[in-house]
Amino acid sequence: DQQVKQNSPSLSVQEGRISILNCDYTNSMFDYFLWYKKYPAEGPTFLISISSIKDKNEDGRFTVFLNKSAKHLSLHIVPSQPGDSAVYFCAASDYPQGGSEKLVFGKGTKLTVNP
Amino acid sequence: DAGVIQSPRHEVTEMGQEVTLRCKPISGHNSLFWYRQTMMRGLELLIYFNNNVPIDDSGMPEDRFSAKMPNASFSTLKIQPSEPRDSAVYFCASSWQGDGYTFGSGTRLTVV
Repeated sequence: DQQVKQNSPSLSVQEGRISILNCDYTNSMFDYFLWYKKYPAEGPTFLISISSIKDKNEDGRFTVFLNKSAKHLSLHIVPSQPGDSAVYFCAASDYPQGGSEKLVFGKGTKLTVNP
Repeated sequence: DAGVIQSPRHEVTEMGQEVTLRCKPISGHNSLFWYRQTMMRGLELLIYFNNNVPIDDSGMPEDRFSAKMPNASFSTLKIQPSEPRDSAVYFCASSWQGDGYTFGSGTRLTVV
């Protein structure tokens, strides 16, 4: 049973346009969500996170939106740049309330930003 | 800060052989995680340690897999005997109280 789902395996956008990556989750105990970015032959690197007490968190060109009632979050990248081309993973955690520090990951979305 | 260090970066072994993957977490982090990435299953947690004690090993596929953390600065993931279906990228990550979750560069394992 996949608790975190990224239904789009890939996304292609033009440089300068907005990229929107989506993520759905099923476990209502999750209350902390993260996005990681992964380049080939490297480990995932942290990008941005959001707590369940918020519905939006912004960091430069990256904004994460959380809709708890729909169990849905999205990552917006504006404007998209070719260097943003990577695989993006959505992750969720129920820490600290759930007591486990483990992150549950989606399968990732490969973003390609075309010049 | 050197980050999370994994070795080897690549490992090619024959079916039936023992494989040992190594990880050095970030100094001061008290939790360590082993993940496996495959095309079919994505990133899945195998086991995690807190203060060197295994907390959750529910993701370990079977008895062929074992993990140890003898001290705060070193962990191993061992597969014995290895099988072709174990071929994947294995990541180690560490954190402090669930914060600052940082991944290593991974070990690409190929079992032929």
